[in-house]
Amino acid sequence: QKEVEQNSGPLSVPEGAIASLNCTYSDRGSQSFFWYRQYSGKSPELIMSIYSNGDKEDGRFTAQLNKASQYVSLLIRDSQPSDSATYLCAVRGGTASKLTFGTGTRLQVTL
Amino acid sequence: GAVVSQHPSRVICKSGTSVKIECRSLDFQATTMFWYRQFPKKSLMLMATSNEGSKATYEQGVEKDKFLINHASLTLSTLTVTSAHPEDSSFYICSARDMGKALFNSPLHFGNGTRLTVT
Repeated sequence: QKEVEQNSGPLSVPEGAIASLNCTYSDRGSQSFFWYRQYSGKSPELIMSIYSNGDKEDGRFTAQLNKASQYVSLLIRDSQPSDSATYLCAVRGGTASKLTFGTGTRLQVTL
Repeated sequence: GAVVSQHPSRVICKSGTSVKIECRSLDFQATTMFWYRQFPKKSLMLMATSNEGSKATYEQGVEKDKFLINHASLTLSTLTVTSAHPEDSSFYICSARDMGKALFNSPLHFGNGTRLTVT
């Protein structure tokens, strides 16, 4: 079982719709969760971080965390073509400094 | 804040030569930096963890003599690809965490990456 799992996609949503990206993780001791966006040929950039159960909103983005279900998600409201990218879920467990990344979900926002 | 600068952004070299990639944290200090490699349309692969003042920790399957890492200061780590071959052509990305922040709520900040092409 992979430590951090994401559906590779592509996830296709029409412009203006809500995109829902999901991630599950195996380490129950995980403390910190991050969503990164990566455009083709570019390095990842941080979008959101979440540490507590529940929702965290930042503009059009909402991160949701459910530690009991070992599940973290990212919602993108009013999706724009510029949101088309690969979204990486990253998890930090225990005292380790490194992050474990999922393989990423490719999002396509269509006109 | 939290900027990681990586140079060069693109390099083309001949087979058998060595290439050095620099990773600098510009506005924070990092005792640990991470080096990733990414092939086209593939996920990030952690190569090694660079530790300031001590030896790097390499992931399984990564040749430490091939990929030399030096973390000379709290703001600089270098990756040297020695005797490069065409199969080493890839996108190399470094990242770092601000050691001044609590572990649990500090993300990794990524450099812009280095695209290496070995001919």
